[in-house]
Amino acid sequence: GIQVEQSPPDLILQEGANSTLRCNFSDSVNNLQWFHQNPWGQLINLFYIPSGTKQNGRLSATTVATERYSLLYISSSQTTDSGVYFCAVGEGNNRLAFGKGNQVVVIP
Amino acid sequence: DAGVTQSPTHLIKTRGQQVTLRCSPKSGHDTVSWYQQALGQGPQFIFQYYEEEERQRGNFPDRFSGHQFPNYSSELNVNALLLGDSALYLCASSPFAGVSFFGPGTRLTVL
Repeated sequence: GIQVEQSPPDLILQEGANSTLRCNFSDSVNNLQWFHQNPWGQLINLFYIPSGTKQNGRLSATTVATERYSLLYISSSQTTDSGVYFCAVGEGNNRLAFGKGNQVVVIP
Repeated sequence: DAGVTQSPTHLIKTRGQQVTLRCSPKSGHDTVSWYQQALGQGPQFIFQYYEEEERQRGNFPDRFSGHQFPNYSSELNVNALLLGDSALYLCASSPFAGVSFFGPGTRLTVL
């Protein structure tokens, strides 16, 4: 199956700082989603982005499908941005393969 | 739109018992997938149901089985529970080949 690697595994940020999370995947995909997992375990959809660039408020994402990576940008981080960010790629018909996640802690 | 719902929220079982978890998909979605998330790991795909049939299956033993009903809701059954089955079980719904949305999960503890 497709391998998904996320980096860095852990990140500590001062409130107001910017950061970039990276997702590398091992094969061509037709689906790529970024999620934020809250402390109760719910996966919150951030982006559906198999290719191209999207922005939603302070968050933006870019996927370069030909080079098999995606980036999630967090600007002007807030304490509510803390949590685990997951990249998941589609192996066809919505079977998603997840990375191990990026644990982000934003300090006031 | 209620989104994806799962029940129960938490469950405690003992080794050897059987458990049933339930999922109702988001309105308009006909595909339900189940994932297991162990502590500190990313979710792992268990299986997917579409048109009341299992369409894809991950690397999980036959102790894990499921069902999809005509209203697209789904159940995950796990027999002969092991300590290692303790995890967060997540249900995702989607239109076929569309964006997946996840429910809040069921946290299973096996003692």
